[in-house]
Amino acid sequence: AQTVTQSQPEMSVQEAETVTLSCTYDTSENNYYLFWYKQPPSRQMILVIRQEAYKQQNATENRFSVNFQKAAKSFSLKISDSQLGDTAMYFCAARGGATNKLIFGTGTLLAVQP
Amino acid sequence: EADIYQTPRYLVIGTGKKITLECSQTMGHDKMYWYQQDPGMELHLIHYSYGVNSTEKGDLSSESTVSRIRTEHFPLTLESARPSHTSQYLCASSEYIGDRKSTEAFFGQGTRLTVV
Repeated sequence: AQTVTQSQPEMSVQEAETVTLSCTYDTSENNYYLFWYKQPPSRQMILVIRQEAYKQQNATENRFSVNFQKAAKSFSLKISDSQLGDTAMYFCAARGGATNKLIFGTGTLLAVQP
Repeated sequence: EADIYQTPRYLVIGTGKKITLECSQTMGHDKMYWYQQDPGMELHLIHYSYGVNSTEKGDLSSESTVSRIRTEHFPLTLESARPSHTSQYLCASSEYIGDRKSTEAFFGQGTRLTVV
């Protein structure tokens, strides 16, 4: 079974600053995928960034990057130059195995302050 | 923009009524999911399907049922709605390409269900 843990229920950051959201996971699969999703107040879930577990290089998407530590089963999200539009709930998720179930963490509510 | 649609967006219904929440995707994805989202925002997987005529219960026990007769359609049914079913329901789909390749999950806009 897979589990995903986000230990920060809420975080706050000043506009233009950098913030890191933490995520740890546990899986017995060798081939799995990790994701960060964003759910703004409009409530539609949007993919922020993805990481294939077999890739050693950390994924980067513009201002968003991850720090993937496979041995530690850690998958943190760094947001650089935070913008007001980054205010949202952020979910870490993992997927793997034959059934490809997508399991989410409990989420981190990020507030970007002007 | 993802081609996955949920209807209705909002539903208020009386206790004991039968309801069906619709979810359709036009991307040809084989994997589909239903999540229940708490008022505190936590997401719980309640059903998933990895193809036509294959459905499984998720990690959170649910009184709802699902069917997957066509690839694009994954409706969720509550035979007798109760106030404890009040929640946000999110549908998602994804494609497993094989050999370490997979797409991300795409989400619908959700159905906010209130049972009074």
